[in-house]
Amino acid sequence: DAGVIQSPRHEVTEMGQEVTLRCKPISGHNSLFWYRQTMMRGLELLIYFNNNVPIDDSGMPEDRFSAKMPNASFSTLKIQPSEPRDSAVYFCASRLTSGGARYFGPGTRLTVT
Amino acid sequence: QQQVKQSPQSLIVQKGGISIINCAYENTAFDYFPWYQQFPGKGPALLIAIRPDVSEKKEGRFTISFNKSAKQFSLHIMDSQPGDSATYFCAASGTGANNLFFGTGTRLTVIP
Repeated sequence: DAGVIQSPRHEVTEMGQEVTLRCKPISGHNSLFWYRQTMMRGLELLIYFNNNVPIDDSGMPEDRFSAKMPNASFSTLKIQPSEPRDSAVYFCASRLTSGGARYFGPGTRLTVT
Repeated sequence: QQQVKQSPQSLIVQKGGISIINCAYENTAFDYFPWYQQFPGKGPALLIAIRPDVSEKKEGRFTISFNKSAKQFSLHIMDSQPGDSATYFCAASGTGANNLFFGTGTRLTVIP
């Protein structure tokens, strides 16, 4: 199994630009999570999908952030417009069943200048 | 408010020594306590996990000790190796809960 796949691995963009991060969960997993990791705040859950449906988006910091999961094998996290304080590593994780282990992707390091 | 408090922030251990990382929580509804290992440039990977019905769980050189009354749990790495050098995160969640609350991480360096 290839594991959770994220793209791009690195993204550098200017303030105000739109950024789209992509995730392919492990085949057969029915839960998907987007996390953000920073030195100041550690790992934070942004949004959680179950069977492609957003269940909990209370961690999404602002309306500038949006996430979609059009099918079981693909999800996007979009930031529009991006700001320097959005600079972080964004992780996608998937899970087979409730209570099961979460498998993290390699992350996307976002830098907004 | 940090749901899970982790210490120390960094740890340096000689090869062959024991590495100990501690975590504490307040929410008594938590009943799942995993530890994740993260290497630079990689995502966190599940290392070992425990539920509060046992006080200890061992997998190879890694052991979780759990103290329910004190609401504390710790990771012990026996015979620490340079390859164990990574950042370790403890975490906690409740049954069926979606959110897994992570500690702030411990950067472990094992010196040859």
